[in-house]
Amino acid sequence: RKEVEQDPGPFNVPEGATVAFNCTYSNSASQSFFWYRQDCRKEPKLLMSVYSSGNEDGRFTAQLNRASQYISLLIRDSKLSDSATYLCVVQDSGYSTLTFGKGTMLLVSP
Amino acid sequence: GAGVSQSPSNKVTEKGKDVELRCDPISGHTALYWYRQRLGQGLEFLIYFQGNSAPDKSGLPSDRFSAERTGESVSTLTIQRTQQEDSAVYLCASSLGSYNEQFFGPGTRLTVL
Repeated sequence: RKEVEQDPGPFNVPEGATVAFNCTYSNSASQSFFWYRQDCRKEPKLLMSVYSSGNEDGRFTAQLNRASQYISLLIRDSKLSDSATYLCVVQDSGYSTLTFGKGTMLLVSP
Repeated sequence: GAGVSQSPSNKVTEKGKDVELRCDPISGHTALYWYRQRLGQGLEFLIYFQGNSAPDKSGLPSDRFSAERTGESVSTLTIQRTQQEDSAVYLCASSLGSYNEQFFGPGTRLTVL
């Protein structure tokens, strides 16, 4: 059975803080990795893909460690609008559906 | 442009009744997915369509659940003889192909009394 594990949180941080989320996955053959964001009672939306070399998009940095089967998301200079649940998502080789983690909740306070 | 739409947005039904949920994917998207999200839980994959065929229906929880897609467009998810444990948000997503970003609809919130 494919597993994607995340700390459910919530992570409570003040505005401006740096926060990091981690995720582990069980299938060593997994090929593609993503972070999705889900606001309360809303649908998930793609935040960013995660590449082997690591990638950055503004205040967001994603990293992948294949040897440890571990993915991370770093958010710098947190904004109130970053409050949401962050979903770690894994796709195996070839065609396969996405396997979602249960998400990590982030609450950014003034 | 138009995103993925789903109807109804909310559905309350009595235990034992059948329900039909509808998904309109983004025009031109060949791949379509159904997920279920129970309160406070992660997304559970139900079924995947490529065109009108379903190469992966491994997530359907029981034979009470079925889905179809016609015209490489609209999909319906049918739940027969609903049970209380079927209460959840049912999310539909579509993508250009199976390797592309999935765009989600707003979901149908199903409550079985």
